[in-house]
Order: sequence, then structure tokens, then C-alpha cells
Amino acid sequence: KAGVTQTPRYLIKTRGQQVTLSCSPISGHRSVSWYQQTPGQGLQFLFEYFSETQRNKGNFPGRFSGRQFSNSRSEMNVSTLELGDSALYLCASSVSVNEKLFFGSGTQLSVL
Amino acid sequence: AQSVTQPDIHITVSEGASLELRCNYSYGATPYLFWYVQSPGQGLQLLLKYFSGDTLVQGIKGFEAEFKRSQSSFNLRKPSVHWSDAAEYFCAVGGDYKLSFGAGTTVTVRA
Repeated sequence: KAGVTQTPRYLIKTRGQQVTLSCSPISGHRSVSWYQQTPGQGLQFLFEYFSETQRNKGNFPGRFSGRQFSNSRSEMNVSTLELGDSALYLCASSVSVNEKLFFGSGTQLSVL
Repeated sequence: AQSVTQPDIHITVSEGASLELRCNYSYGATPYLFWYVQSPGQGLQLLLKYFSGDTLVQGIKGFEAEFKRSQSSFNLRKPSVHWSDAAEYFCAVGGDYKLSFGAGTTVTVRA
């Protein structure tokens, strides 16, 4: 069974640009959640989707958005990038939210 | 609101010695509690999980954790550490369709 796939693996952008990150969950997993990992802040919850519905959102500005498609694949978008958005963005999937999360390798975003 | 505190930022332990990582949580209802490990260059991997039942939970790689409701704690232990246990360990509490992670504890293993 293939794991959680995140693309791209690395991304370099400049301030003011926007970026879209993609996540393909494990087959059969309908819950997809996103986390931002930085050395100073640790792992911070961004949002969780289940069957195309966002069920919870973390304390991030509106520049951070996401969506889930009918095949459970998910994307997150960050508009008007700031230097502080540089981080590892992790996607995780699970059968349901309080079950074991399977994490992808992440997308390392650098904003210059 | 749910939150997790891991009081120890960094722990150094000798190979073969025992290890205990502390975790305190805050959550209004019965919590789902997790320990994840992140090794250099590798993704996050679940070590163990607790929701109900026996308060001593066995996980992978010889780890165990004990849930103590009265102390709001979920400490992780391993009787004998191997060099491959060097990693960052995260405690998390689940609820409201999200996990809240602690800041993590980095474990260094010395020969």
C-alpha cells in the first residue's frame, strides 16, 4: 500500500508569491490534515478535511487555505507569502481523525 | 482548548540506560493521547496511542507509556535505549478533529 505522497518535496518562492502544495492520502483514508513544522513553533495544526468538508481550522491567517477533492486528495494554498511562512508542511491521512495518522515526508517551503 | 507540554527540550542518555520522556496534557474530555517519533530525514511515525482501557500502553520499538488521569500525564518510557532511538519525540492530544502536539523532546544517545 502506497504511503502518503506530498508534492513537491522542496519549493523556493519569493515574498508576495503564492504556492499550492499537494497531498495524496493512503487509499481508503478519508481524513486528511495539514501541519506546519518550524524549529521555533513545533508542529502547528492548519486544517483537517473529511469527505471534502473542512471540520477544523487552526489559528492561521486567511492566506492559508485548503481543499479536499472527491478522491480524498488534498491541496493547501498559501497566498501572499511572507518570510515567516518558511517551514516544513506535513500532510497526514487516517481512516478517521482520532486514529493513527500516517504522515507524508512533507514539503519544505523556503520563502526568500 | 487542548494543549500539550513536554517539559524537557533535550535529553541525553547512555546506550543501554533507561529513558523517560514527560508529557502533560490539557483537555476537557477523555483524551486521545499519542506519542510520535521523528528521526533525522524520516517522517513522523506513531509509537503508541491511548484512548481507553489499560493505562499502560505498549508500543513499537520497545516503548511504553502510562496514562495518569490524576496527573494529566502520559509519560513515555523505554527500559534500555539503543543508538537508533536518537530522534525527536512528540506527545500529542487528539480531539475536535485535530492533534495538538507538544514542542518535542530531542533525545541524544551516547555510546
